[in-house]
Amino acid sequence: QKEVEQDPGPLSVPEGAIVSLNCTYSNSAFQYFMWYRQYSRKGPELLMYTYSSGNKEDGRFTAQVDKSSKYISLFIRDSQPSDSATYLCAMSGGGTSYGKLTFGQGTILTVHP
Amino acid sequence: DTGVSQDPRHKITKRGQNVTFRCDPISEHNRLYWYRQTLGQGPEFLTYFQNEAQLEKSRLLSDRFSAERPKGSFSTLEIQRTEQGDSAMYLCASSYGGNTEAFFGQGTRLTVV
Repeated sequence: QKEVEQDPGPLSVPEGAIVSLNCTYSNSAFQYFMWYRQYSRKGPELLMYTYSSGNKEDGRFTAQVDKSSKYISLFIRDSQPSDSATYLCAMSGGGTSYGKLTFGQGTILTVHP
Repeated sequence: DTGVSQDPRHKITKRGQNVTFRCDPISEHNRLYWYRQTLGQGPEFLTYFQNEAQLEKSRLLSDRFSAERPKGSFSTLEIQRTEQGDSAMYLCASSYGGNTEAFFGQGTRLTVV
């Protein structure tokens, strides 16, 4: 079993929809949680960064972390066609693994006009 | 452009040849990471440097792979005697000190024929 599980989708939604992306993980040492967006044949772009449990909002994006359930989410409000990309969750622990990211498989999202 | 820069963007090589990739991190970022990403998967950690010291290597990094970061600035990743299974996107990321937010380059896409 992988340390980080992410539904690969694909997920297709109409423009303006609310999108929910999720990851579960098994390593209780993870303390730092990130969401990256990756367009085809490009490097991942950091979207959201959260430390420990809680919510964080940035514009149309909201990240949630529930460490008790080992579950993280990314919500996209008023989705746009330009949001069409692969979304990757990533996590990092402390100590010697600090900064080393473990990624989910990525969810392919398509927002159609 | 002050982002992470990788060179070349694409490399096609014959099986058995050696290849070398270069990464220039964001200025003043003291941590530099290498990841490998295959089609439909999230990036997988290979190795990382703090300044010029290589602190950790993944079991994915066979003896044919070597990475250096002389003087704590740019880094090179060399693959000797390439195999078809080495075909992937090689991603470089950098971060600053105690901050786990890692910023990625556009990657080098390697095709071994």
